[in-house]
This record gives sequence, C-alpha cells and structure tokens, in this order.
Amino acid sequence: EADIYQTPRYLVIGTGKKITLECSQTMGHDKMYWYQQDPGMELHLIHYSYGVNSTEKGDLSSESTVSRIRTEHFPLTLESARPSHTSQYLCASSEPLGDREKLFFGSGTQLSVL
Amino acid sequence: QKEVEQNSGPLSVPEGAIASLNCTYSDRGSQSFFWYRQYSGKSPELIMFIYSNGDKEDGRFTAQLNKASQYVSLLIRDSQPSDSATYLCAVNVLSNYQLIWGAGTKLIIKP
Repeated sequence: EADIYQTPRYLVIGTGKKITLECSQTMGHDKMYWYQQDPGMELHLIHYSYGVNSTEKGDLSSESTVSRIRTEHFPLTLESARPSHTSQYLCASSEPLGDREKLFFGSGTQLSVL
Repeated sequence: QKEVEQNSGPLSVPEGAIASLNCTYSDRGSQSFFWYRQYSGKSPELIMFIYSNGDKEDGRFTAQLNKASQYVSLLIRDSQPSDSATYLCAVNVLSNYQLIWGAGTKLIIKP
C-alpha cells in the first residue's frame, strides 16, 4: 500500500544532541515537505524538495538541514538539539491536483528536547 | 495581522446541524484554497479545495469562496460525531506558490 512513513514516532533527547528524523514515501512523489506544528498553532514550512538533489529552505529552516538523495527518502537533521526545538514534525509529499497539489502527511514525530 | 486567520474555537454544534467554519486571508493575490481535517493526534488530510468564487459541493461538505471579501468557508451538513476534529484552512500564495496555513478551528459535534 502506498504511504508515507515517519520514524521515530516519539523522541526524547538531551540538549546538544544531533538527531535525524526519517521520512520515506512509497508513492513516487517528487515533491516533499517538512512542517513544524505546535498545539493550536499553524503549520510552518521548514524545508521542501522538488525532487532528487533539490532542497529549499522554508520559514524555519535556519537550524536544520535536509537531503534528497533518493526520491522516496527525505530526512531532516538537527545538528544540535535545543529545548526550543520541542515540537511535532510532519513530513508530507504531494501529488498534482490540476495545477495545484494535494498533500499527504506522515504520522509525525513528536520531539521533546530536555 | 496573520496571513490566514481562523477562529480557534472550539465550535460546538449539535449532531445533525450545519457546522460553519470560516477563514480569512490577507493576500489578495491568493489563488487556491484548501480545507484539511486533522483528528486529535493524527495528521492533516485534504477534504475540500476551491479555486473560483462561489460554492463547491462534495457530499456533506460545501466550500464557499468570496475573493472580494477575502474569505473562504466550509459548511458541513448533517454533522456527525465523526466530524469532530480541527479544520485547517490553507491558502496558496501567488508569490511563491507555497501554502500558508491557519491555526485551525476545533469542531465538536455533540450527540
């Protein structure tokens, strides 16, 4: 079944640690996104990719990096985790909807930095 | 002023009634408008989209767009307890084609 997967589902980590949040999709979508969502708040775009070897920064990208070596894989790395990084991280891929697009989201990673 | 604004709620509606959710946006150049539903602890899923002024119906859902007044709404007829969720409004900004999201309206359907 075509889907989008995120691991880990929950992560508790200490300040200063390097972490990588994994995201994989089996739908063959070219476009992929990372969003950050806090309770009761808007989704904020962190990074996005139009395809292999393409990565772009969103609004909240300054403290993280992404890579897109394979179509199906779009990991997000925090070099040095801080308590301010505590949040829900959502990965998404998209398929065309006319000349717009429909987003499919993974289950998310809830990150807590102590 | 936020680019996309929604009343955070919660909006409480009796089962079987019409639920009306509203969203206003600031960029007059916005072209596309989307409603995503997010159940508690789950990820958003697309339920409706609209591009042109007027109404668009899909089953119990109707999206309404008024570009002159810069608002988009979602009507849910014959509301069911399973409609209880947070409804996120998202708008395509013409300048960079990225989605700008509202904070969502929490809808509670009371049996």
